[in-house]
Amino acid sequence: KNEVEQSPQNLTAQEGEFITINCSYSVGISALHWLQQHPGGGIVSLFMLSSGKKKHGRLIATINIQEKHSSLHITASHPRDSAVYICAVRSKFENTDKLIFGTGTRLQVFP
Amino acid sequence: DTGVSQNPRHKITKRGQNVTFRCDPISEHNRLYWYRQTLGQGPEFLTYFQNEAQLEKSRLLSDRFSAERPKGSFSTLEIQRTEQGDSAMYLCASSLVEYNEQFFGPGTRLTVL
Repeated sequence: KNEVEQSPQNLTAQEGEFITINCSYSVGISALHWLQQHPGGGIVSLFMLSSGKKKHGRLIATINIQEKHSSLHITASHPRDSAVYICAVRSKFENTDKLIFGTGTRLQVFP
Repeated sequence: DTGVSQNPRHKITKRGQNVTFRCDPISEHNRLYWYRQTLGQGPEFLTYFQNEAQLEKSRLLSDRFSAERPKGSFSTLEIQRTEQGDSAMYLCASSLVEYNEQFFGPGTRLTVL
């Protein structure tokens, strides 16, 4: 079992829909990251959070440390949101700064 | 400074050849990370540096792989005697301090024929 699991693996939406991507992890963490990867490979950091909720524009990220779960929400989705969204965590107990990644959620938003 | 840069962006090589990739981090970022991503998967950690010191290496990094950051600025990742299984996207990231946000480069896509 992977230490970081994402669901769904693939997601299709119509423009304007509210989208939720889920991330569950099995290790104690010091931080969780949400990343966006467009075709061609470039990765952009969307959020880094260790508790609560963060909002940036139409994107909202929440985390529940007790349940080891995080969600990424996109409100009023747009075709330009089409990308792979990746959840990554930093282990709390290992003396390391490395990230452990989920396999990603491929989102396609159609006009 | 426009962010993390990686060169080349694409590399096609024949099995058995050696390849070297370069990563230039954001100025003054003391931490530099290398990750590998195969098709349809999330990135996997390879190694990271603090300044010129290599602090951790993954078990994925076989003896054919070596990474350096000689002056604590840019880094190189060399793969010797490439194999078809080495075909992947090689990603570099940097951060200012430990446990801080990592900024990723565009990646180098390696194809081994």
